[in-house]
Amino acid sequence: GIQVEQSPPDLILQEGANSTLRCNFSDSVNNLQWFHQNPWGQLINLFYIPSGTKQNGRLSATTVATERYSLLYISSSQTTDSGVYFCAVGNAGGTSYGKLTFGQGTILTVHP
Amino acid sequence: EADIYQTPRYLVIGTGKKITLECSQTMGHDKMYWYQQDPGMELHLIHYSYGVNSTEKGDLSSESTVSRIRTEHFPLTLESARPSHTSQYLCASSVRLLAGELFFGEGSRLTVL
Repeated sequence: GIQVEQSPPDLILQEGANSTLRCNFSDSVNNLQWFHQNPWGQLINLFYIPSGTKQNGRLSATTVATERYSLLYISSSQTTDSGVYFCAVGNAGGTSYGKLTFGQGTILTVHP
Repeated sequence: EADIYQTPRYLVIGTGKKITLECSQTMGHDKMYWYQQDPGMELHLIHYSYGVNSTEKGDLSSESTVSRIRTEHFPLTLESARPSHTSQYLCASSVRLLAGELFFGEGSRLTVL
């Protein structure tokens, strides 16, 4: 199956700083999503981005499918951005039809 | 905002008890999933369903079972809970597409004593 690798595993920032999270994957995909898991365990959809670039407020994401990576940018970070960020990928081929494989996550801590 | 609901949110139960984790969605999605997540770890797919009367095992072996009698409902059952089942269980759904956006419920955190 697809392998997903996220970096860095941990990231500590001061409020107001910018950051870039990376997701590498081992095969072609037609589904890529970024999630934020809050301290209560809920996964919040950030972006559905199998290719291209999207922006939502202080967050933006870019996926370069041909080079098998995606980037999540967080600008002017706030303490409420703290949590775990997951990248999840999937493709429509064979037994992986419609299923997502998750990376191990990046733990982000933003200090005031 | 996605309309997918899980109950209970938290459950502490003794070994040997039967438990059912409920998951319901009001979006009419055909595809539903159960993921298992240990603290600080990635999510692993344990069950999924393409629609009514369809259930499949996921990538991670699990002693739990699921059923899909109605489109909106996808419960997960453990016949005899053990401490090794302690984990967070996350339900998700997506529209019936080759590549659909996945929406998660709030999760059910299970502790088996």
